Amino acid sequence: EDQVTQSPEALRLQEGESSSLNCSYTVSGLRGLFWYRQDPGKGPEFLFTLYSAGEEKEKERLKATLTKKESFLHITAPKPEDSATYLCALNSGGYQKVTFGIGTKLQVIP
Amino acid sequence: GAVVSQHPSRVICKSGTSVKIECRSLDFQATTMFWYRQFPKQSLMLMATSNEGSKATYEQGVEKDKFLINHASLTLSTLTVTSAHPEDSSFYICSARGPSGGGEQFFGPGTRLTVL
Repeated sequence: EDQVTQSPEALRLQEGESSSLNCSYTVSGLRGLFWYRQDPGKGPEFLFTLYSAGEEKEKERLKATLTKKESFLHITAPKPEDSATYLCALNSGGYQKVTFGIGTKLQVIP
Repeated sequence: GAVVSQHPSRVICKSGTSVKIECRSLDFQATTMFWYRQFPKQSLMLMATSNEGSKATYEQGVEKDKFLINHASLTLSTLTVTSAHPEDSSFYICSARGPSGGGEQFFGPGTRLTVL
């Protein structure tokens, strides 16, 4: 069974303090790993798709990387507006279904 | 691009009534849409996969007769919660598979359902 484990569950950073969020996974055949941002009371917002080990994607202060066992979401010099829950999800096998992690709740303090 | 809307954003109803939630892909055609449920401090739980022109595929434990899904066009899927009860109160979110074919899903803003 495909599994996605995110850590830490919660992370509190000072503004400008860079850090990384982890997404560990086990999957029979990876067809894509996704990162989303979710603000309270809203639907997830798509950030990145990664397909193969070694791949990297960047968007503003965020950078996502992928290995054969895990993905990292690096946040460089975060700002308070980066506060949100970041979800990792993977698409495997039958292509239809996506498995979500529980997320990392990030709080950036001014 | 890849914008998904959802309506209503919030609904409060009495126990026993039915509630319909609409999910629309605004700038692309979506042959496949998904319906999720999310409880506080929990991740998304897939309820069903909706394919245009065919019956929805429900996840194990989700009552088909309670959560009716219709995907009548390439831009619209609806979820009807029939005879709603307080335990059905939750945050319902739809998504559509994006047009690029990469497998990513684009989500609507969600519907907060409160059953009194």
